[in-house]
Amino acid sequence: DQQVKQNSPSLSVQEGRISILNCDYTNSMFDYFLWYKKYPAEGPTFLISISSIKDKNEDGRFTVFLNKSAKHLSLHIVPSQPGDSAVYFCAKGGTSYGKLTFGQGTILTVHP
Amino acid sequence: DAGVTQSPTHLIKTRGQQVTLRCSPKSGHDTVSWYQQALGQGPQFIFQYYEEEERQRGNFPDRFSGHQFPNYSSELNVNALLLGDSALYLCASSRQGIVRTGELFFGEGSRLTVL
Repeated sequence: DQQVKQNSPSLSVQEGRISILNCDYTNSMFDYFLWYKKYPAEGPTFLISISSIKDKNEDGRFTVFLNKSAKHLSLHIVPSQPGDSAVYFCAKGGTSYGKLTFGQGTILTVHP
Repeated sequence: DAGVTQSPTHLIKTRGQQVTLRCSPKSGHDTVSWYQQALGQGPQFIFQYYEEEERQRGNFPDRFSGHQFPNYSSELNVNALLLGDSALYLCASSRQGIVRTGELFFGEGSRLTVL
């Protein structure tokens, strides 16, 4: 039961342009969504989150959008930088004491 | 301020053996969660420990067990290893009361290879 899906295994973007990472979900019973970034040989790092009662949350170059009718979540990175190259995971959380359900991940490559 | 530390970083076992992985949470954190990340997949929740008790469990067999110590550190034990147990095992810590924001702090993981 894949409740969180990232359908794009990889994304390639030019430095300075916008990166858009997408995520779809199938279950509406949750409190919040999150994005994590993972570099090789490191653990995932929390990036940004959004409550299910909101449509948008911004933090510097990172903005997360939540479209509840489409059950779709997206992360916008503007402008993209080579240091943003990493694997990005979307995840959903609910009432289960911090149990997160992750998507499969999208490999973002930002070219100089 | 040390973050989440895990040991060992890499290990190789054979089928049928048992393995113990260790985790020290970030300073000030009292809750430890364990995740399994298979190659090309996202992390999957195994279980979570708080106050030395398993509070929540994912869809993993009883071969997977854990423990939390009074100093909040934790162990993950896997018995009767299968080839399919080969994965990166991630420990994540958090502080009770802010868990619902989802901001878990992850260690670098323990890479287990089962031959």
